[in-house]
Amino acid sequence: KQEVTQIPAALSVPEGENLVLNCSFTDSAIYNLQWFRQDPGKGLTSLLLIQSSQREQTSGRLNASLDKSSGRSTLYIAASQPGDSATYLCAATGTASKLTFGTGTRLQVTL
Amino acid sequence: DTGVSQDPRHKITKRGQNVTFRCDPISEHNRLYWYRQTLGQGPEFLTYFQNEAQLEKSRLLSDRFSAERPKGSFSTLEIQRTEQGDSAMYLCASSLSWGQGEQYFGPGTRLTVT
Repeated sequence: KQEVTQIPAALSVPEGENLVLNCSFTDSAIYNLQWFRQDPGKGLTSLLLIQSSQREQTSGRLNASLDKSSGRSTLYIAASQPGDSATYLCAATGTASKLTFGTGTRLQVTL
Repeated sequence: DTGVSQDPRHKITKRGQNVTFRCDPISEHNRLYWYRQTLGQGPEFLTYFQNEAQLEKSRLLSDRFSAERPKGSFSTLEIQRTEQGDSAMYLCASSLSWGQGEQYFGPGTRLTVT
């Protein structure tokens, strides 16, 4: 059974700082890995998807990496802004396409 | 493309009542998923459809829960005899069954059982 863990559970950084969010998964037989953003009381917004054959994906200030052999993914956010404050969730897709989520990292970017 | 929509956005019900939620996926997506999220946790998979066929159900989906996707378009999730433990955010997502399989989520339905 796939288990996904995210560290840290919460993070507070000053505006402008670069930061890394960590995600680990127990079963390396994944189809892809997605990173999502969730604002309080809202649904999920897809940020990046990395296919199992890829090592990383970039979108603007976001860069996600994937190391299947070690069961790890990271989300790098460059030059953080207060608008980046949200909960960030990673999710692994195995067979049958269902996503297995971590519990998220709650990010606060302060002025 | 208007994205995934869910209705209602909020539902307050008394214990023992039945509730039904609706999800409209992105129009060309043939897969539709239901997840449940409780406070402080990540979403948990409940069930998914490919076209009108329900292909997998989680053990979380007790016999009080039923989901349908009658014409392979919108889907409904019904909870019978609601319990306080059913209080959660119910999220719907859709995707294509080919390509990257990226899932797109709706805004969710917040259920409160009093």
